[in-house]
Amino acid sequence: EAQVTQNPRYLITVTGKKLTVTCSQNMNHEYMSWYRQDPGLGLRQIYYSMNVEVTDKGDVPEGYKVSRKEKRNFPLILESPSPNQTSLYFCASSLSSQASSQAFFGQGTRLTVV
Amino acid sequence: GIQVEQSPPDLILQEGANSTLRCNFSDSVNNLQWFHQNPWGQLINLFYIPSGTKQNGRLSATTVATERYSLLYISSSQTTDSGVYFCAVGAGGTSYGKLTFGQGTILTVHP
Repeated sequence: EAQVTQNPRYLITVTGKKLTVTCSQNMNHEYMSWYRQDPGLGLRQIYYSMNVEVTDKGDVPEGYKVSRKEKRNFPLILESPSPNQTSLYFCASSLSSQASSQAFFGQGTRLTVV
Repeated sequence: GIQVEQSPPDLILQEGANSTLRCNFSDSVNNLQWFHQNPWGQLINLFYIPSGTKQNGRLSATTVATERYSLLYISSSQTTDSGVYFCAVGAGGTSYGKLTFGQGTILTVHP
């Protein structure tokens, strides 16, 4: 089954403790991205990757890092989480960044930073 | 960047009623998708519809790209249809695959 898998689904952590949210897709998609969803602000793109070893900032990249060492994986790293990073996070993938192609979303990760 | 407006912001229905949700966008798009966000926060793909009309059971969608809008129709609504419906568009080009989301329509279906 074609899918995007995020882990963990729920996470409560403390300020400053490094964490990684994993994302994996099994569709051989080139393009992957991360979004965060916040009340009143909607969904906003954090980072994206057009292919292996090619990543770039989205609209709200501060406080986050990403890597794309393999095509299927695109982890989101919070080196020193702060309470303002409490949010619902989504990973997404699509075939290409240019051609018209459907985006597939993971199940979401609900992160709370205390 | 591209602007996406959804209407209405809130919609309350009795079970069995029909409804139409609208999405207007400010520029040409090469991607348009409708999602349903369920109470657990999951984004469920409803339609990938950059143009034309599609149907899936009680749901159908139409995008008129030249006039920059899309409509989502829900017929014979059920309580399980409750949640938030999002329209998201991709403009291609230098937006590099980014989807811009509307603010959503909150649908509540009462039994």
